[in-house]
Amino acid sequence: AQSVTQLGSHVSVSEGALVLLRCNYSSSVPPYLFWYVQYPNQGLQLLLKYTSAATLVKGINGFEAEFKKSETSFHLTKPSAHMSDAAEYFCAVSDAGNMLTFGGGTRLMVKP
Amino acid sequence: EPEVTQTPSHQVTQMGQEVILRCVPISNHLYFYWYRQILGQKVEFLVSFYNNEISEKSEIFDDQFSVERPDGSNFTLKIRSTKLEDSAMYFCASSGGVGHTGELFFGEGSRLTVL
Repeated sequence: AQSVTQLGSHVSVSEGALVLLRCNYSSSVPPYLFWYVQYPNQGLQLLLKYTSAATLVKGINGFEAEFKKSETSFHLTKPSAHMSDAAEYFCAVSDAGNMLTFGGGTRLMVKP
Repeated sequence: EPEVTQTPSHQVTQMGQEVILRCVPISNHLYFYWYRQILGQKVEFLVSFYNNEISEKSEIFDDQFSVERPDGSNFTLKIRSTKLEDSAMYFCASSGGVGHTGELFFGEGSRLTVL
């Protein structure tokens, strides 16, 4: 069975500050890991994915995430927050089959 | 760029009515999914569909729900007799094109409101 835990349902940062959104997973097989972003009243858009290649994954909009097997983590970071980054972010795990299990989501708020 | 499209974007229905949500997955994809997101809650898996049959389903996907791919392009979710607690955003997704790596492509969602 797979599961995803996102620490912090709400994260608030100032514009220009570092963004760090935490994700820990459990999986019985080597996982595929994903971060999706959901802007208000929109669907889910893939930010980045880890599929057993490089452990540091770069995504769209300046986001990146690092897969750390020893910590079962896949935290999402961005060096400098922008107002347009305000959204809900979901971490998800797949067993390379076809079912994604999502975390509870983290709402990122960016203060001017 | 290919995308998953869903209709309707918003549907309001009375409790006990049947609802059909429609999805057109990306054309070369082989796996199809429905997820739902109750307002303020996490995205939950409902069902996956492959080779014209359900491959996995969650405990949420009870006898009130059904899926089908009637014509090789559409993928539908039917709720036979809606309940208030079925109010949610329903997302269709597809995956499994050439060289797929487990990434799901999601539609914009269909918001269902049951009164």
